[in-house]
Amino acid sequence: DVKVTQSSRYLVKRTGEKVFLECVQDMDHENMFWYRQDPGLGLRLIYFSYDVKMKEKGDIPEGYSVSREKKERFSLILESASTNQTSMYLCASSSYNEKLFFGSGTQLSVL
Amino acid sequence: AQTVTQSQPEMSVQEAETVTLSCTYDTSESDYYLFWYKQPPSRQMILVIRQEAYKQQNATENRFSVNFQKAAKSFSLKISDSQLGDAAMYFCAYRRDKLSGTYKYIFGTGTRLKVLA
Repeated sequence: DVKVTQSSRYLVKRTGEKVFLECVQDMDHENMFWYRQDPGLGLRLIYFSYDVKMKEKGDIPEGYSVSREKKERFSLILESASTNQTSMYLCASSSYNEKLFFGSGTQLSVL
Repeated sequence: AQTVTQSQPEMSVQEAETVTLSCTYDTSESDYYLFWYKQPPSRQMILVIRQEAYKQQNATENRFSVNFQKAAKSFSLKISDSQLGDAAMYFCAYRRDKLSGTYKYIFGTGTRLKVLA
């Protein structure tokens, strides 16, 4: 069964902390995505990657960075967490002309 | 820029009845894909149905069907014989294929569907 695994389901961090959100897929997909989900705003694309070490900014990249050193792993980094980054973070992956496969999300609270 | 609009934040339907969720989008592209995703309380997003813009025939998956009106840029989801398990947040999404071979998905704000027993 195909799987996209996000390392944490719930995460609580302090303002100013560096935060790593990890995502691993076992489908050998080229494309991986990080979305942020907020009530009333839907899913907004933060960053995506179409190959190892390749990345492209999405619609709301400010305050975030990403890393893709291996094909199966795509990390989202909050360099200095702020309270307005409290949100649900969803990772997804896909191959060309395939649907998106999603992880089950990480609910991040920044206090 | 492409946008996806879901104008119904919340809908309710009686079990076994039919409900239609609305979605409109804006694009200048002629080739694209449209999707409906379901997010139950477990948070796991599930693909419900997919439509290629070049296909005139509306997609159908069991109790789920779409009404795709390309000229009107409308893509509504009809759920027939609604079941309690259909209760979820539904997201409409547009996929734009770029010349580089990559693509972006743009999601609407979602419609929360409640199914009443």
